[in-house]
Amino acid sequence: QKEVEQDPGPLSVPEGAIVSLNCTYSNSAFQYFMWYRQYSRKGPELLMYTYSSGNKEDGRFTAQVDKSSKYISLFIRDSQPSDSATYLCAMVVGGSNYKLTFGKGTLLTVNP
Amino acid sequence: NAGVTQTPKFRVLKTGQSMTLLCAQDMNHEYMYWYRQDPGMGLRLIHYSVGEGTTAKGEVPDGYNVSRLKKQNFLLGLESAAPSQTSVYFCASSSARDRTLQETQYFGPGTRLLVL
Repeated sequence: QKEVEQDPGPLSVPEGAIVSLNCTYSNSAFQYFMWYRQYSRKGPELLMYTYSSGNKEDGRFTAQVDKSSKYISLFIRDSQPSDSATYLCAMVVGGSNYKLTFGKGTLLTVNP
Repeated sequence: NAGVTQTPKFRVLKTGQSMTLLCAQDMNHEYMYWYRQDPGMGLRLIHYSVGEGTTAKGEVPDGYNVSRLKKQNFLLGLESAAPSQTSVYFCASSSARDRTLQETQYFGPGTRLLVL
């Protein structure tokens, strides 16, 4: 079993839809959770960061962490064509371990 | 600030040839990383460095070597390229100053490598 599982999609939604992206993980030692966004032919860029269970909002984006279920989610409200990208979840154990473990990424297309 | 830059952007090699990929960052970051990204495999860590003069193996280090002679540069070398090393290579860097900054990795634009 991979440490981090992420459905690769692709996921196609109409503009304005609510998008839900998810990752599950097996290593209960993971403490810090991130979502990166990667546009086509570009490097990933950090979108959201959280280190606790619960929700964190940033504009149209909400990151949710459920450590008891080892499950994290990213919600995008009022999705826009500019949100079309690959979304990668990432997590790290913490302490002196700063190496990220990435999911495989979910390709999202938002259609006008 | 240019952030993280990578050269070259694209390269074609023949099997057995060698090459060096250069990564440079102007953010004074302590940590630097080399990843490869393949379809269906996600980002996999090749090597990383926690400071000038130090390097360590990641998840998929075989066939690669690295050096960090200067804090701002991290070089990835392929001594004898193989078709299995056809991939997109990303360099990243992060700061050691506090928890949030450590996990915030800044990525370069990538190098596309094709080994024939």
